[in-house]
Amino acid sequence: GAGVSQSPSNKVTEKGKDVELRCDPISGHTALYWYRQRLGQGLEFLIYFQGNSAPDKSGLPSDRFSAERTGESVSTLTIQRTQQEDSAVYLCASSPNGLQGLYYTFGSGTRLTVV
Amino acid sequence: AQTVTQSQPEMSVQEAETVTLSCTYDTSENNYYLFWYKQPPSRQMILVIRQEAYKQQNATENRFSVNFQKAAKSFSLKISDSQLGDTAMYFCAFMKTGTYKYIFGTGTRLKVLA
Repeated sequence: GAGVSQSPSNKVTEKGKDVELRCDPISGHTALYWYRQRLGQGLEFLIYFQGNSAPDKSGLPSDRFSAERTGESVSTLTIQRTQQEDSAVYLCASSPNGLQGLYYTFGSGTRLTVV
Repeated sequence: AQTVTQSQPEMSVQEAETVTLSCTYDTSENNYYLFWYKQPPSRQMILVIRQEAYKQQNATENRFSVNFQKAAKSFSLKISDSQLGDTAMYFCAFMKTGTYKYIFGTGTRLKVLA
């Protein structure tokens, strides 16, 4: 597509429920990234995909967080047993490849609220 | 490890005036890039300007320019002729050359007043 698309735009969930956040990167971009933005904070790196493999998962905060990617297309970030501290905006970005991180395009994010 | 610090949580400026946003960083790397991103209420991160560390000349993009002081590890953003559409969060960010991971500051909320 023309840009990076994320869905849903907003999600409210009850503590303890699982949630799935979706990211559709720009067509042809082999690299995909997830970042988390807590209220009043900058973006924190979560995970990097090159194709459908994830060579860098170093930013995932706990084993409740996981992500997968289908080929060089859609990625899903899953948070299991959500906690209130998971409330944040989750931003996805893509770039032509991982060595060209300069050329990120970000999506508009999913605002997750855990109540 | 690299860190990026933005010490101004909020700023305001009158329309048509000039404002400067501050950013300092810490790194032991010699080859890197520095960025300013704008985040309007739509939440999408929009690249404002990028500076290569090896370039002494300060980057400019229309009304936006930077003051890059490598020795002082300082990277400020100057917005000239401020417009109402410049109202947004502004983030300073660092990326080591040849990598993919940003290190972001905590942001400065800029409000342009009519």
